Amino acid sequence: DAGITQSPRHKVTETGTPVTLRCHQTENHRYMYWYRQDPGHGLRLIHYSYGVKDTDKGEVSDGYSVSRSKTEDFLLTLESATSSQTSVYFCAISGDRAMNTEAFFGQGTRLTVV
Amino acid sequence: DAKTTQPTSMDCAEGRAANLPCNHSTISGNEYVYWYRQIHSQGPQYIIHGLKNNETNEMASLIITEDRKSSTLILPHATLRDTAVYYCIVRAGGSNYKLTFGKGTLLTVNP
Repeated sequence: DAGITQSPRHKVTETGTPVTLRCHQTENHRYMYWYRQDPGHGLRLIHYSYGVKDTDKGEVSDGYSVSRSKTEDFLLTLESATSSQTSVYFCAISGDRAMNTEAFFGQGTRLTVV
Repeated sequence: DAKTTQPTSMDCAEGRAANLPCNHSTISGNEYVYWYRQIHSQGPQYIIHGLKNNETNEMASLIITEDRKSSTLILPHATLRDTAVYYCIVRAGGSNYKLTFGKGTLLTVNP
């Protein structure tokens, strides 16, 4: 398995509180992604990063921010959590585009906002 | 990004070949077709990818039509553990490697 670790794996938080999810990789891959998965919607891209301090929005970025200060870590922050952000969050990594490499996914973080 | 169309669900008998179709009629010449699967509540798993030639690995075979507008993922001898949602993805062009998933096909392998 690719070296991807998501933390925490499970979290329950209250509406209005800030939450940060961490994705850590040991593969030195350039690209990192955050997805959320909800019943009936499949996997939806929140944000992605194509290098240190280089990030861009995905299709469902409202209410989320990200940061990547070093290659191995990609943080997803919910500044003020809402119940609609209750979901399973997956991090993914992939190598350089020119190599057309596949993406590897973490095991997910189950976030519940009450 | 090229969009993909997959059936919502399919069934297959254990031990038989599972053939999962995908339409990607707007694919560009430099875009690859990727297949992933997701077994219940786990992270998606890469299966195979290709550009225009057929590909085979230890998990599956990928058949891409000559006009590249559709492809088929073949699991030669499906087992109960192959029950999963299978995603067909066309990799985005441009300078960033963005991966966009559709809703996929739920393959149920029956004993």
